[in-house]
Amino acid sequence: QQQVKQSPQSLIVQKGGIPIINCAYENTAFDYFPWYQQFPGKGPALLIAIRPDVSEKKEGRFTISFNKSAKQFSLHIMDSQPGDSATYFCAAPILRRAGGTSYGKLTFGQGTILTVHP
Amino acid sequence: NAGVTQTPKFRILKIGQSMTLQCAQDMNHNYMYWYRQDPGMGLKLIYYSVGAGITDKGEVPNGYNVSRSTTEDFPLRLELAAPSQTSVYFCASSYSLLGTYNEQFFGPGTRLTVL
Repeated sequence: QQQVKQSPQSLIVQKGGIPIINCAYENTAFDYFPWYQQFPGKGPALLIAIRPDVSEKKEGRFTISFNKSAKQFSLHIMDSQPGDSATYFCAAPILRRAGGTSYGKLTFGQGTILTVHP
Repeated sequence: NAGVTQTPKFRILKIGQSMTLQCAQDMNHNYMYWYRQDPGMGLKLIYYSVGAGITDKGEVPNGYNVSRSTTEDFPLRLELAAPSQTSVYFCASSYSLLGTYNEQFFGPGTRLTVL
């Protein structure tokens, strides 16, 4: 049961292209949607995150777009560079209930392997 | 700060052997996590801890055990290694579980092969 569905599984673009990675989620405890970036042989690291009440967040060449009604969010990488080649994971705080308490458990998508050719 | 550290970096086990993967963090985080990463499958949560002495199962806990005797350390134990446990294991920690900000800090990973 995939509560955060990420696509595509892999993506190849030329330098300067604009790769787009999409995620769809089920019910979340709150609106917080981070993207993690992982280079080969390393652990994932937070790249960019969007918080409540905004539909878009931009940091440098990276932009998150968020569509609450569709329960989808996406990552766009402007003017992509070979150094952006990595695996990207989206995540969402999926709603969980335990012992009468509700909370959000950060759940990751399956990952997208991005390759940017020179 | 060293952040989240993991040892060993690589390990090869024979079927049926046991081992402990070590994880430590120096950020005074209450929440710690163990994930496994398999190709094309993303990150699957094995166990997590909300503080010293408190642990709970994640999505794929079978074949693993954890303990949390201190805030800093969260070891993962494999009792009877099986080929299905061949994977890359990541430890992570975060300041909070609840709330609107929940960045997880990951260690460099342990690559485990069971033959």
